[in-house]
This record gives sequence, structure tokens and C-alpha cells, in this order.
Amino acid sequence: DAGVIQSPRHEVTEMGQEVTLRCKPISGHDYLFWYRQTMMRGLELLIYFNNNVPIDDSGMPEDRFSAKMPNASFSTLKIQPSEPRDSAVYFCASSKQGLDTDTQYFGPGTRLTVL
Amino acid sequence: RKEVEQDPGPFNVPEGATVAFNCTYSNSASQSFFWYRQDCRKEPKLLMSVYSSGNEDGRFTAQLNRASQYISLLIRDSKLSDSATYLCVVIRQGGKLIFGQGTELSVKP
Repeated sequence: DAGVIQSPRHEVTEMGQEVTLRCKPISGHDYLFWYRQTMMRGLELLIYFNNNVPIDDSGMPEDRFSAKMPNASFSTLKIQPSEPRDSAVYFCASSKQGLDTDTQYFGPGTRLTVL
Repeated sequence: RKEVEQDPGPFNVPEGATVAFNCTYSNSASQSFFWYRQDCRKEPKLLMSVYSSGNEDGRFTAQLNRASQYISLLIRDSKLSDSATYLCVVIRQGGKLIFGQGTELSVKP
């Protein structure tokens, strides 16, 4: 199994630019999660999907952030416009059965730097 | 006050030592508990679930005390390869995952 795949692995952009992060979950997993990790705030859940439908987006910091899951094998997290405080590592994770009943498998992360 | 709090660390211990990490949570309705391990610049990986009865996996023992809202992880006979950050994870009623800040462990030869 290939595991959760994220791209790009590293992204450096300038303030004001649009950033799109991509994720391919493990085949057969019905849940997909987006997390952000910073030194100050640790690991935070931004949003999660069940069967491609957003279930809880209460962790999305503001309207500049949006996430989509057009099909079972692909999701995007978009930041528009990006700001320096968005610099972080963004992880995507997937699981078969949900939050409290199954292991979440994390992707390698995208390290975002906004200058 | 953070909803999930962990020992700040870092913990620097010699090989073979026993080390214990603590984690407290503030939401009494929390339902599920886990320990994750994160190596430097890598993704978190599930280490073990935590049950009220306590559970053991080789050198690792996890305990949950619901009355005190306290979770612990004990590592016996620590190895160099145990060096990592250990994240306490709590799932709230309603399903949201809350991660602790993590405790860094460094095992020295």
C-alpha cells in the first residue's frame, strides 16, 4: 500500500499568493483529515471529510482557507491569499472508520513557507 | 489553559532507563485516548490506544485514570530508537481530535 500521498512536499511562496496543497488518501479509507502543525500551536485539526462530504470545518482558521474533496481519492486544501502566519507543516491523514474507532494514517506533510 | 497538556520535556535519559510521560485533559466528556509518536520532521504515527484497564505493548505501558483525567505512558528499557516526540491525543465527545503539544524524548548511549 502506498500510504497517504501529499504534494508538494515543500512549498515556498510570497505573501498574497494562492497555495494549493494536495492529498491522496489510502484506497478504501472513508475519512480524510487535514491538520496544521506549528511550534506555537502544535497539531490542530482543520477539517475532516466522510465519504467526500465535509463533516467538521470548525478548525479552519478563517475564510482564506478552503478544502474540497471532489472524489474518494483526492482532496485539496487551498489558502488564498496566503500570509506569513500560515507557514506551517500541513498534514493529511485518512482512516477507514472514523475518529475514535480507527487508526489515522498520516501523510508525510507539506512544509509551507510564506515569505 | 490548553485542553490537553503534557509534560514539557525534553527528557534526556540513558539507554536502558525507564521513563514516564504524563498527560492531563480538561474535558471530562472525552471519549477516546491515544499516544502517537512523531520523529523529527516526520508525520505522527499511532503508538497505542489507551484504555481504562491499562494496556501494554512490549516495553510500552499506557494507563488512563478517568477520575483524575490523566493519561500516562511508561517506556521501559529505553532504546536509542525511542528518541522522538510523544503526542497525547484525546477525542472529545462529538468526535474532535485534540493533540497535546508533545513531549520530546532523547535517549543517549
